[in-house]
Amino acid sequence: RKEVEQDPGPFNVPEGATVAFNCTYSNSASQSFFWYRQDCRKEPKLLMSVYSSGNEDGRFTAQLNRASQYISLLIRDSKLSDSATYLCVVSITGTASKLTFGTGTRLQVTL
Amino acid sequence: DAGVTQSPTHLIKTRGQHVTLRCSPISGHKSVSWYQQVLGQGPQFIFQYYEKEERGRGNFPDRFSARQFPNYSSELNVNALLLGDSALYLCASSLGLLAGWVTDSYNEQFFGPGTRLTVL
Repeated sequence: RKEVEQDPGPFNVPEGATVAFNCTYSNSASQSFFWYRQDCRKEPKLLMSVYSSGNEDGRFTAQLNRASQYISLLIRDSKLSDSATYLCVVSITGTASKLTFGTGTRLQVTL
Repeated sequence: DAGVTQSPTHLIKTRGQHVTLRCSPISGHKSVSWYQQVLGQGPQFIFQYYEKEERGRGNFPDRFSARQFPNYSSELNVNALLLGDSALYLCASSLGLLAGWVTDSYNEQFFGPGTRLTVL
């Protein structure tokens, strides 16, 4: 079983739609959670951290359910510029900075 | 300010050869991590260095090695290249070491553009 699992997609949605991505993680010791965005042939960039209470950043809302080991990302009012791969990432507190990535979910927003 | 820089951007090698990839972190960052991203997959952790010491190693063979220099730049070396080593190699830097809750910019990892390695 992969440490972080995501639906690879692709998700094809029209502009203005609301889309949700889900992610599950296997290691209950995971303590930090993130969503990264990766454009085609570019490096990953931090989209947002995910906090236990849930958090929102403009059109983006992230939720964490520790009991179910489940993370979600909701994008409202999708824009063409949101087209990218969204990577679910977890890390475990320790002596090293190891980020564990999911395979990513590809989003394509169309006119 | 310059972000994380990596060189070269692209590289073509043949099986059995050796390769050295280079990374310069953001000025003031002391932590450098290396990741391998195979096409269609998420990045996989290879190494993490902090203050010139190895602080973490992923599940990669001994053909992979790295080091960090006094100016905090880093090199990733891969010996006896295999076809399966073809990937995007990403370097990430951060101010500090991820040893606690990551809720501030101190531990955020910033990725460089990567080196795309093709092994023929």
